[in-house]
Amino acid sequence: DVKVTQSSRYLVKRTGEKVFLECVQDMDHENMFWYRQDPGLGLRLIYFSYDVKMKEKGDIPEGYSVSREKKERFSLILESASTNQTSMYLCASSLGAKSPTNEKLFFGSGTQLSVL
Amino acid sequence: AQKVTQAQTEISVVEKEDVTLDCVYETRDTTYYLFWYKQPPSGELVFLIRRNSFDEQNEISGRYSWNFQKSTSSFNFTITASQVVDSAVYFCALSEAGNTDKLIFGTGTRLQVFP
Repeated sequence: DVKVTQSSRYLVKRTGEKVFLECVQDMDHENMFWYRQDPGLGLRLIYFSYDVKMKEKGDIPEGYSVSREKKERFSLILESASTNQTSMYLCASSLGAKSPTNEKLFFGSGTQLSVL
Repeated sequence: AQKVTQAQTEISVVEKEDVTLDCVYETRDTTYYLFWYKQPPSGELVFLIRRNSFDEQNEISGRYSWNFQKSTSSFNFTITASQVVDSAVYFCALSEAGNTDKLIFGTGTRLQVFP
């Protein structure tokens, strides 16, 4: 089974801190995604990557950056955390270009980040 | 622009009742994919179904069934004889054709099934 692992289930940080959220997948997937989930807003795409060192902005990239140095790892970085970035962050991966059709996403369990 | 609307924020039913979760989508693409995911209290989204825009056949999987109607841009999900374990947040999502697999999600419907 595909496993998408997020390093922390709960995280508490202070305003202004630099925060790293890590995500690792073990199935050689090409595509990886970071979403944030907020009540009443559903899941919104922050960034995604379709290859090592490649990244694309999603719908709400402001205040975030990402890093993909290795295929299996996709990191989300909050350069200077703010209280409005308190949210549930979900990482996902999918097969990518190896498949001719749009494939399902596999999700991690999420990281609940609180910025105080 | 692509958009997915789940108008039902929360639904409560008693066990064994049937329940339908509505999903309406917007897209200009002729080729697209629709998905349903389940998010139980553990937090991890679980894939339920994928449907491409050229396949309007309804699908049934056990107690779950899906009704895809392009004429009304809807992809509704019905649970028959609901059970407490069905309690979760359900998301409908849309994906454009291509290999990015990027999903646009609705806001989700929280289903509570009471014993």
